[in-house]
Amino acid sequence: ETGVTQTPRHLVMGMTNKKSLKCEQHLGHNAMYWYKQSAKKPLELMFVYNFKEQTENNSVPSRFSPECPNSSHLFLHLHTLQPEDSALYLCASSQEKSQGFRYEQYFGPGTRLTVT
Amino acid sequence: LAKTTQPISMDSYEGQEVNITCSHNNIATNDYITWYQQFPSQGPRFIIQGYKTKVTNEVASLFIPADRKSSTLSLPRVSLSDTAVYYCLVGLPPSGGYQKVTFGIGTKLQVIP
Repeated sequence: ETGVTQTPRHLVMGMTNKKSLKCEQHLGHNAMYWYKQSAKKPLELMFVYNFKEQTENNSVPSRFSPECPNSSHLFLHLHTLQPEDSALYLCASSQEKSQGFRYEQYFGPGTRLTVT
Repeated sequence: LAKTTQPISMDSYEGQEVNITCSHNNIATNDYITWYQQFPSQGPRFIIQGYKTKVTNEVASLFIPADRKSSTLSLPRVSLSDTAVYYCLVGLPPSGGYQKVTFGIGTKLQVIP
């Protein structure tokens, strides 16, 4: 249990569906991240939010739309996805000031997304 | 962001010490070295972090030579539950309130009974 929860854990959706992934962190962190992990590929950073403001968007297609209503919650809205978007979507959080000289990101368990 | 190179896979028998070496030739002065562990269908988990010399915690040790162009993660007496992918990351401390790090392919460690 890392203090970062994600729902749903598994999602199957058609290419015309609209769905949302939810992430919640109970750690009091200021930054939240969305990563995509495809089979046999490195984790790809998609978006970063810091104090609810989007600070990074790594050329992610517009069919992925993030939302951060507050520092504890992060959503990823999905619409008209493609089969190649099937992957494990991971949420993470971190804090600006480290404790004991340690900089780390805390990851949730991920949502396994399958686009049919 | 400094690029890292590590072996794609390693096998080890239970009870042995495992050393995974990561190369990061273009590491910058202020970069830290961090290792994460990832089990299947889970998010990565922080293992250890260092800047230079040696760092040890309850899980692993991290050896960093003086030139900092490589680092070695040492796992003592591995068990089957240590079977996972291990990532070496090099990056700056948080800037502007958040961290930007790059994960590579990682090293898939298979522990054999």
